[in-house]
Parts: sequence; structure tokens; C-alpha cells
Amino acid sequence: GNSVTQMEGPVTLSEEAFLTINCTYTATGYPSLFWYVQYPGEGLQLLLKATKADDKGSNKGFEATYRKETTSFHLEKGSVQVSDSAVYFCAPPSGAGSYQLTFGKGTKLSVIP
Amino acid sequence: NAGVTQTPKFQVLKTGQSMTLQCAQDMNHEYMSWYRQDPGMGLRLIHYSVGAGITDQGEVPNGYNVSRSTTEDFPLRLLSAAPSQTSVYFCASSYADRGTEAFFGQGTRLTVV
Repeated sequence: GNSVTQMEGPVTLSEEAFLTINCTYTATGYPSLFWYVQYPGEGLQLLLKATKADDKGSNKGFEATYRKETTSFHLEKGSVQVSDSAVYFCAPPSGAGSYQLTFGKGTKLSVIP
Repeated sequence: NAGVTQTPKFQVLKTGQSMTLQCAQDMNHEYMSWYRQDPGMGLRLIHYSVGAGITDQGEVPNGYNVSRSTTEDFPLRLLSAAPSQTSVYFCASSYADRGTEAFFGQGTRLTVV
């Protein structure tokens, strides 16, 4: 099955700093890739996704580009806010064409004023 | 607009007790799954179902049972609770299509003493 390696945290940034969270995966074929976010005390929710190679997913100022040559899907944001403090999960599917997700261990981000 | 509803939100059990965690979704999703979330471990798949009457084991199924009698409901049963099952449990659902978004419940925080 597919697997994911995600940068482990915790990550602490000052407000307006640049954020990168690395994610690399192994996969059969070219599956859709996802980033999920978990705010304190809540379940996970979809942050963004990319369905094919070279696609860029974006939402709430976050971006991630599906790079098949490096099998990466790094999450970036140019200027983080305190409200971005959360745990971020990279999630490729478990198998080629599969809707079952494999989650990384998550990266906890804390943004301080 | 309920989405995925989990009950209860919190539960304390004594070792050896049994209980059922409830999960219901109102989006007519074929695929439902249960995860547990432990510190430093990310989300690990316990059981999943691709439709009514069909269930299968995930990564960490021991000590848990599931059934899927309807499309909407996917309860998780702890047969004889152990302290190692202390965790936060999440139910998720999605369409059984490649590239589809998974929707998560708010979670159940279970403590076994």
C-alpha cells in the first residue's frame, strides 16, 4: 500500500512568518493527495487537495503542489496567523485509486502573536 | 446539515467493561471508517466498511468489532475494554470514489481505567 512521510513537529512560528510542512509519499500510480487540518478539540477537515500531477491545491491562503517527480506534496503559507494553530495531516490514499486514506503522524503548528 | 455525528463525546470505562461508540452520517456515503488517534501516532485505521453488510479490518482491529446494517450507521464495539484502548476515536465517511473528500465526526475521547 501507499505510505507517507510527514515533517514532524511541533512547529512554532511568529505571526506573519512563512510556513512549510514537508510531505513525501510512496504510491502506486498517481493518486489524489490531501491535506487535512485538525483544530483543537475538533475532528479533521479537508484543507486542500490535488487530484493529478502538477495540480496546485489551495484554500485559506495555504497551497500545495502535487510533484510527481519528487513524490512530494509540501504545504505552504506565506503569512501564518494565530488562527492557523492546529495539527496538519498529509494523506495520500492507501492504494492506487483507493478512497481509503493513509495519514501521516501530523504536524502540530503553534503560531504566536 | 449534520454531517457525521459521533456519540458520546466523552466516556470513562473500567477495565473489562464493554460499550458501543455510535457513528451516523446523513450524506449517503458508501464508505465509513473508524480511526484512533494517539499522541505521536497519528491516525490509525481500526475498521472500515464499503457499504451495508460489508466490513473489513484496518491496521489495528484487535479488541474492536463493527457492523454495518444500514448505510447511515457504523457503530464500533469495544468487547472488553483495556487501558491500551484509551484514545480519541474518530469516525469518517466518504463516497467510494477516487479523490473524494472524507468527512470526520467530532471524536469520542475514551479513557479506560
